[in-house]
Amino acid sequence: AQSVTQLDSQVPVFEEAPVELRCNYSSSVSVYLFWYVQYPNQGLQLLLKYLSGSTLVESINGFEAEFNKSQTSFHLRKPSVHISDTAEYFCAVRKMNTGFQKLVFGTGTRLLVSP
Amino acid sequence: GAVVSQHPSWVICKSGTSVKIECRSLDFQATTMFWYRQFPKQSLMLMATSNEGSKATYEQGVEKDKFLINHASLTLSTLTVTSAHPEDSSFYICSASTGNSPLHFGNGTRLTVT
Repeated sequence: AQSVTQLDSQVPVFEEAPVELRCNYSSSVSVYLFWYVQYPNQGLQLLLKYLSGSTLVESINGFEAEFNKSQTSFHLRKPSVHISDTAEYFCAVRKMNTGFQKLVFGTGTRLLVSP
Repeated sequence: GAVVSQHPSWVICKSGTSVKIECRSLDFQATTMFWYRQFPKQSLMLMATSNEGSKATYEQGVEKDKFLINHASLTLSTLTVTSAHPEDSSFYICSASTGNSPLHFGNGTRLTVT
């Protein structure tokens, strides 16, 4: 079975500083990888995903993540964060050719951006 | 973009009563809807998968008689927490999919049972 590890439960950072949220996964087969963002009292929104092709994927709001198969990682990065990026970020994985019921979430990382 | 509406956003109920939560796909037909439960500072745990017109598939450990799921149409699924108890207090989130499309999540329902 797949599993996802987000080592950092909380990451405090100052506005305009760079940030990296770590995600490692475990799977014996090929997987799809996702990052979701959750703002307070809201559902999750898809931030970006890796399905195939280029290992570097980008979102429209400046986040990027790189799939590293050898290190089984999919870390999320942003070169300069804003106050509005404060939220909970979830990494998720599911096996290729399986449905969303097989989507496994990490425990989340709370990004706290302060002025 | 695709929108999933979840209602109510929060509800307080007395122990022993039942609460119904609705999940609607507003601009697309959702062949599959998922119900999750999220405890404070924890991740989402899938409770059940709901396919239109058929019985929901519950994850191990989820009581199907307590968490009744109905997916009567391609745009509506409901979760009814029956005979709620304080330990059922949680944040419940639904999501919807047309199959190969990305998941679209509702904004969640915070249930407090007193």
